Amino acid sequence: QQQVKQSPQSLIVQKGGISIINCAYENTAFDYFPWYQQFPGKGPALLIAIRPDVSEKKEGRFTISFNKSAKQFSLHIMDSQPGDSATYFCAASIGSNTGKLIFGQGTTLQVKP
Amino acid sequence: NAGVTQTPKFQVLKTGQSMTLQCAQDMNHEYMSWYRQDPGMGLRLIHYSVGAGITDQGEVPNGYNVSRSTTEDFPLRLLSAAPSQTSVYFCASRGQAASGNTIYFGEGSWLTVV
Repeated sequence: QQQVKQSPQSLIVQKGGISIINCAYENTAFDYFPWYQQFPGKGPALLIAIRPDVSEKKEGRFTISFNKSAKQFSLHIMDSQPGDSATYFCAASIGSNTGKLIFGQGTTLQVKP
Repeated sequence: NAGVTQTPKFQVLKTGQSMTLQCAQDMNHEYMSWYRQDPGMGLRLIHYSVGAGITDQGEVPNGYNVSRSTTEDFPLRLLSAAPSQTSVYFCASRGQAASGNTIYFGEGSWLTVV
């Protein structure tokens, strides 16, 4: 049972373009939706996160759009740069006090110069 | 500030051997957890702890054991290694809600079981 489904599996974007990664979830009890960025050989690092009472959150070039009724959320990377090339994971929290995360399958982003 | 520290970085085991992956955090975080990462499957929760002396199972706990005798340490034990346990293992920690929801990950332990 995959509670958080992420797409696409891989993405190639030209420098300066917009990268969009989508996630869908099933459990309406989820109350915290973070995105993690992972570089090769490193652990995931929190990029940006949103709660379901907000429809959009922006931090610099990174924006999360959240659609509670559709149970979907997405990450938009504006003006994508080669340094953004990494694997991105969406996740959802089962209970905000335990640190338990359900991850999507991951998206490998390559930004071409 | 070291954050979350995992050892060893790399390990090769023979089927049936046991070993312990070490995890330590210096942020006085209450919540600690172990994930495994496999290609195309994201990260899956193995075990977690909400404080010293308290542990619980995650999505994929079979074949693994944990204990939490101190706030700082959360070791993961493989009781009898199997090739299916070849994976990258990540330890993570999180503070109380008042300090934010950020979960910090270690740099990973690459385990190969032959």
